[in-house]
Amino acid sequence: QTVVTQEPSLTVSPGGTVTLTCDSSTGAVTSGHYPYWFQQKPGQAPRTLIYDTSNKHSWTPARFSGSLLAGKAALTLSGAQPEDEAEYYCWLSYSGARVFGGGTKLTVL
Amino acid sequence: EVQLVESGGGLVKPGGSLRLSCAASGFTFNYAWMRWVRQAPGKGLEWVGRIKSKTDGETTDYAAPVKGRFTISRDDSKNTLYLQMNSLKTEDTAVYYCTTGKDWGQGTLVTVSS
Repeated sequence: QTVVTQEPSLTVSPGGTVTLTCDSSTGAVTSGHYPYWFQQKPGQAPRTLIYDTSNKHSWTPARFSGSLLAGKAALTLSGAQPEDEAEYYCWLSYSGARVFGGGTKLTVL
Repeated sequence: EVQLVESGGGLVKPGGSLRLSCAASGFTFNYAWMRWVRQAPGKGLEWVGRIKSKTDGETTDYAAPVKGRFTISRDDSKNTLYLQMNSLKTEDTAVYYCTTGKDWGQGTLVTVSS
């Protein structure tokens, strides 16, 4: 069974930079896993921030960026804002199926 | 503007069935690969399954916990995605979202309880 692993929680200071990662139990994450990143705030539906590793949705703030970093998918937030406090999920593609990571609770404090 | 509106959720007994719908607008639905994702109360997101476009064969794939019980289908003439859920279990209780991957609906709650 494939497992996708994210940091359970991270804290960033307002204006600071933080990187969230998404790791695969099958080995290095590549662009062929088509990594997506989602943001979810309490009581709301998820919304997509990044698709296919590094592409931004029309509403994705410029301070968010996606990449591959040391064999993992990464979401970097540069210049954190209080409204960025949320749960962040990644998903990876495995031969048609998608597997979500467990989510990272990001606190801006 | 892309809109995805789920409906059909509700309370159902274990072993029962339910069909969810997702009405799509604002994009070319018949070309889109569509997914269902669910979220149990207080838990993370779980991929349920996907259906490709008709031009790509309308192939479906499912997560292991729902394979053989859930069926995803689509009606391109109605711009609507479906999720037929049979042999429901208490652990299927969740908010069910339809998504293109880039855009999401608001979800519909399915509660499986006696």
